[in-house]
Amino acid sequence: GAVVSQHPSWVICKSGTSVKIECRSLDFQATTMFWYRQFPKQSLMLMATSNEGSKATYEQGVEKDKFLINHASLTLSTLTVTSAHPEDSSFYICSARDLLAGGGWEQYFGPGTRLTVT
Amino acid sequence: GENVEQHPSTLSVQEGDSAVIKCTYSDSASNYFPWYKQELGKRPQLIIDIRSNVGEKKDQRIAVTLNKTAKHFSLHITETQPEDSAVYFCAAQNNAGNMLTFGGGTRLMVKP
Repeated sequence: GAVVSQHPSWVICKSGTSVKIECRSLDFQATTMFWYRQFPKQSLMLMATSNEGSKATYEQGVEKDKFLINHASLTLSTLTVTSAHPEDSSFYICSARDLLAGGGWEQYFGPGTRLTVT
Repeated sequence: GENVEQHPSTLSVQEGDSAVIKCTYSDSASNYFPWYKQELGKRPQLIIDIRSNVGEKKDQRIAVTLNKTAKHFSLHITETQPEDSAVYFCAAQNNAGNMLTFGGGTRLMVKP
């Protein structure tokens, strides 16, 4: 299957700083990538849909000025958590959408980034 | 939008027994239903999926059934093993492929 990487895998930052997380599709081009947040013992919640060359689409309740998304190429999307606070501490997972040979789409997940804000 | 409900939230079975996890969805336009296994601190791994033109799919010890009329689908794991212990998520994807909505997850514990 297709491979999606994320960097960093774990980051600890101080309250008020900004953190950038990268999501890369390694062996396919992804016009669409997705950013999820997962709190402990909870499900994955879609934050935003990242579209190459255009603005991201944010889910209701997600602050677009706080979670900046840039999808500058067909293999890279970045999520920047600006002015991070302890409540932003979470597991952030990206996924990339790939077109299947028989039609339809499949999403491939990155390994996730654990963000801890102190 | 789509709403996916998953039950049970926790499931404990004895090694060798079967495990069944059920999900319902609300959007009749959804046409792709994957199941993911997630171990602690790791990414969700696709274990099986089913599309709306099929009622059942099987892969060794894992099977998924889909009832489009009732808008529910189920994961069946037979002959469970301790390494099956993980959190399992169902999901429903819309026709455009631009939205994957997850169920709340089921923590499966297989006791040796």
